[in-house]
Amino acid sequence: AQTVTQSQPEMSVQEAETVTLSCTYDTSENNYYLFWYKQPPSRQMILVIRQEAYKQQNATENRFSVNFQKAAKSFSLKISDSQLGDTAMYFCAFNRGGSNYKLTFGKGTLLTVNP
Amino acid sequence: DAGVTQSPTHLIKTRGQHVTLRCSPISGHKSVSWYQQVLGQGPQFIFQYYEKEERGRGNFPDRFSARQFPNYSSELNVNALLLGDSALYLCASSLVPGRISAFFGQGTRLTVV
Repeated sequence: AQTVTQSQPEMSVQEAETVTLSCTYDTSENNYYLFWYKQPPSRQMILVIRQEAYKQQNATENRFSVNFQKAAKSFSLKISDSQLGDTAMYFCAFNRGGSNYKLTFGKGTLLTVNP
Repeated sequence: DAGVTQSPTHLIKTRGQHVTLRCSPISGHKSVSWYQQVLGQGPQFIFQYYEKEERGRGNFPDRFSARQFPNYSSELNVNALLLGDSALYLCASSLVPGRISAFFGQGTRLTVV
């Protein structure tokens, strides 16, 4: 079974600075997908960024980028130029692909952006 | 276009009662998944439906059941509610299962008293 571990329960960063959230996972699969989701107090889970394991290039979406280390089974999220609206719970998630779209989530990291 | 919509947003039930939660996927999406998120934890997978058939089931008791309708909307049913069923129930839709990203609704907050 796949597991996802987020070792940082809480983090804080000053507005406009850069922060990195950590995620490690365990799987025997070779092809899979990794995601970062953001959950603000409004509760809705919002997709931030996605990485396909077969792609060597790290995914980027505006201020959000990942550092995907397949051999180390590590998938960290870097947020540049942090904004107050980035304050939220961030969840790392794994999906092995195929016909079963089960997402396995970590326990989350609460990120607070301070003014 | 409307995103994933869930109803109701909040619900209070008594132990032993039955509850039905509803989800409408994004237009054109044929796959719906349900997750339970207990306070302070990440979401846990309950069910996935695609083309009205169950395609995956998580480690939940038989008190939990679901179905998908011809218009791809879905219901999650929970019988004989326990206090431990109190949680945020999230619905996610995707175009097809597999490689495509899932998009979530705002959830239904269920409180069992």
